Amino acid sequence: EIVLTQSPDFQSVTPKEKVTITCRASQSIGSSLHWYQQKPDQSPKLLIKYASQSISGVPSRFSGSGSGTDFTLTINSLEAEDAAAYYCHQSSSLPQTFGQGTKVEIK
Amino acid sequence: QVQLQESGPGLVKPSQTLSLTCTVSGGSISSGGYYWSWIRQHPGKGLEWIGYIYYSGSTYYNPSLKSRVTISVDTSKNQFSLKLSSVTAADTAVYYCASQVVAASGNWFDPWGQGTLVTVSS
Repeated sequence: EIVLTQSPDFQSVTPKEKVTITCRASQSIGSSLHWYQQKPDQSPKLLIKYASQSISGVPSRFSGSGSGTDFTLTINSLEAEDAAAYYCHQSSSLPQTFGQGTKVEIK
Repeated sequence: QVQLQESGPGLVKPSQTLSLTCTVSGGSISSGGYYWSWIRQHPGKGLEWIGYIYYSGSTYYNPSLKSRVTISVDTSKNQFSLKLSSVTAADTAVYYCASQVVAASGNWFDPWGQGTLVTVSS
């Protein structure tokens, strides 16, 4: 099973600041890495597919990068509505797995 | 636009079988091209993929739950279902259904259902 490790687990950030969340895979997964945002009492929402591909309707301040084992989700100019938990997910091999999540709090 | 909706009992007794159904609207399971998954989230915790089914009935289960999980599909009702046997309090979680396009390199989950909380308690 591929283990995804996110860092940090928690981040408290001021609006307009830049947020960087990393996801490291225990073995190479190419670009088969996807990012989700989950707000309280909501189901996860797809933010980025295949490491860096944008999703229609998702604000452009969200971007992704990386390949192989190291990936990054960047939120440029954080807004209050971005307070949420963020998860990475690998679909390279079965069983599919998720990172443990990163909670972003607005100061 | 495909939408998913989970349904089933919110309370299950220990040692019994948890049964949930996901109803698909806006698209047909039998048209193929999609895997239909179950994912769960323990209270305040991360996401755990349980397994998926294809419209043909082929399945893959997470080895961590494989001995207790059955996922089935009813194309006539455009539904797929989850059964988890011998439940304990550790199976208390929000259960989501989700779909993903079939692809060689795997794919993302989209859309997701709204989720349903199942509590295991006597």
